[in-house]
Amino acid sequence: DVQLVESGGTLVQPGGSLRLSCAASGFTFNKYAMNWVRQVPGKGLEWVSAMSGSGAGAFYADSVKGRFTISRDTSKDMLFLEMSSLRAEDTAVYYCVKGAKAYCSADLYSWGQGTLVTVSS
Amino acid sequence: QSVLTQPPSASGTPGQRVTISCSGGSSNIGSNYVYWYQQLPGTAPKLLIFRSDQRPSGVPDRITGSHSGTSASLAIDGLRSEDEADYYCATWDDNVSVVVFGGGTRLTVL
Repeated sequence: DVQLVESGGTLVQPGGSLRLSCAASGFTFNKYAMNWVRQVPGKGLEWVSAMSGSGAGAFYADSVKGRFTISRDTSKDMLFLEMSSLRAEDTAVYYCVKGAKAYCSADLYSWGQGTLVTVSS
Repeated sequence: QSVLTQPPSASGTPGQRVTISCSGGSSNIGSNYVYWYQQLPGTAPKLLIFRSDQRPSGVPDRITGSHSGTSASLAIDGLRSEDEADYYCATWDDNVSVVVFGGGTRLTVL
């Protein structure tokens, strides 16, 4: 079974940095695109970033471009999201999501349980 | 303001048919498959429909998706109390190379 376990969410001050991690298991990690999707509690879903299975392609929402960096370590089956210059509006639950194919698309096949990031002074 | 437009709410009584719409533009729904996600209260979203009209294993056939031009819709027949959830449509936008979501529709079973 596919398992995606996020970690790293915590309280951080505005302007600060944070790294989220996602441990993946139950599938061949380097054959699938991986995504980060976030959700402000009580609000809708917002796609944040995606990386292709090979790691060659990375895509970002305009709201995080230049501040967030997605990466993956295929030797450890791990996905990361480096977040910097954090703002109050980045406060959300961040989900690690497995795609259905190696290329990035809206086919968000399996979701983790999420990790909460709170940006506040 | 979401790129894809969904009604914020929908409702029906048990056994009824409910339809949720999702509209976009030529660079997103008009050019790509549409995906639907169901989020039950307090849980992570789950893929409900892929490639506009395909159901993953385990999703009952009373749930169907359709897609025409720049619009898509999700239909639920024989509404049940366990269908009460938030529903989101999503697709890829070719112009900006991002995944775009609808704002979500909260379905209430009366």
